[in-house]
Amino acid sequence: EPEVTQTPSHQVTQMGQEVILRCVPISNHLYFYWYRQILGQKVEFLVSFYNNEISEKSEIFDDQFSVERPDGSNFTLKIRSTKLEDSAMYFCASSETGRGPSYEQYFGPGTRLTVT
Amino acid sequence: RKEVEQDPGPFNVPEGATVAFNCTYSNSASQSFFWYRQDCRKEPKLLMSVYSSGNEDGRFTAQLNRASQYISLLIRDSKLSDSATYLCVVMNSGYSTLTFGKGTMLLVSP
Repeated sequence: EPEVTQTPSHQVTQMGQEVILRCVPISNHLYFYWYRQILGQKVEFLVSFYNNEISEKSEIFDDQFSVERPDGSNFTLKIRSTKLEDSAMYFCASSETGRGPSYEQYFGPGTRLTVT
Repeated sequence: RKEVEQDPGPFNVPEGATVAFNCTYSNSASQSFFWYRQDCRKEPKLLMSVYSSGNEDGRFTAQLNRASQYISLLIRDSKLSDSATYLCVVMNSGYSTLTFGKGTMLLVSP
């Protein structure tokens, strides 16, 4: 069964450093998303991406965040200058379409980001 | 204002029990509804989409009441493997972003 993959599974970084989280969405999916979950809290939407541009972003997704689809398979989330409060599990998700049939989103296993 | 609100839990039930989870959402323009399950420190996994007419998948039954903005999930004949956190998830209009509830933890014991 096709699945979303993410690397690395765990990233430890120092405050102020840049990190890039990587995702490979399901191959025939066209819509890509990043969510995050701070330990003990609910899953929160960050950004959606379609047709090589951001479709929607939340208040969390400020100028420190960026997304890119550098090639035909990878989808990345970059945090330019990490803060302690960026420590969370970051989930990538993808869906075949944005609405209507096949809009269900499937999540990758996550990258646990620890900022020290 | 909580956009998606769920029973706080945890629910402790014996194997074989029937358990029901409730969820309310605040945005009347919400278009699609889902139940996901999340095991400890793992990703949310889609359990089922929730349709207006209600739908069933084996031991799981989901109901939607748009007028009351209420969603439910019923699990019959609970198994040990059903132990997880159940997430009520709503898709709003626009670009299909998901809004999650905090989840309700289920613990099924022998």
